[in-house]
Amino acid sequence: NAGVTQTPKFQVLKTGQSMTLQCAQDMNHEYMSWYRQDPGMGLRLIHYSVGAGITDQGEVPNGYNVSRSTTEDFPLRLLSAAPSQTSVYFCASSYQASYSGANVLTFGAGSRLTVL
Amino acid sequence: GQNIDQPTEMTATEGAIVQINCTYQTSGFNGLFWYQQHAGEAPTFLSYNVLDGLEEKGRFSSFLSRSKGYSYLLLKELQMKDSASYLCAVMDSNYQLIWGAGTKLIIKP
Repeated sequence: NAGVTQTPKFQVLKTGQSMTLQCAQDMNHEYMSWYRQDPGMGLRLIHYSVGAGITDQGEVPNGYNVSRSTTEDFPLRLLSAAPSQTSVYFCASSYQASYSGANVLTFGAGSRLTVL
Repeated sequence: GQNIDQPTEMTATEGAIVQINCTYQTSGFNGLFWYQQHAGEAPTFLSYNVLDGLEEKGRFSSFLSRSKGYSYLLLKELQMKDSASYLCAVMDSNYQLIWGAGTKLIIKP
């Protein structure tokens, strides 16, 4: 049972380049999400999905796209990278949809992105 | 606005007890979570409180007072492996998680 798998673990981009962060879970979780973590700040939600074919914006969606074609996969696309997107990105999933209090998240190992 | 406050850093001694506080102001309340995050790793779930009172789980306990907008995480019999950041998060009325910036706990021998 791999849990939540994120790739790549590290990436360096130049301003304007595009890339996709991959996220896959093998726990049959309905809810998947992407967060960014920056020093001195709490985790901030970028996008989330409550099931295949359904996505929604979080707190900081600008500059990012997502899709959920299958239950297992939830890739995050950076359309045109900017230095402000330098961060650590975490994918997280849970069994229940977000409309539940006891929504315990399982996180991937993280992807450290640097934009020059 | 919504806000979660917790101390930036705390230091404690191996074998001792430490209490990490979290105060919150959010639009509604559907539960409070504590996660542990070792440096360079992913956050992992520690506890969930939705009703007032103390939840005990081994060496870790979490307390909630909804009327005061306050929670604490209590760690007993500290071990070196407890050196980590502890994240407090509140689920608001829209079932969205609001995260604190985390408390870095340093354990000294």
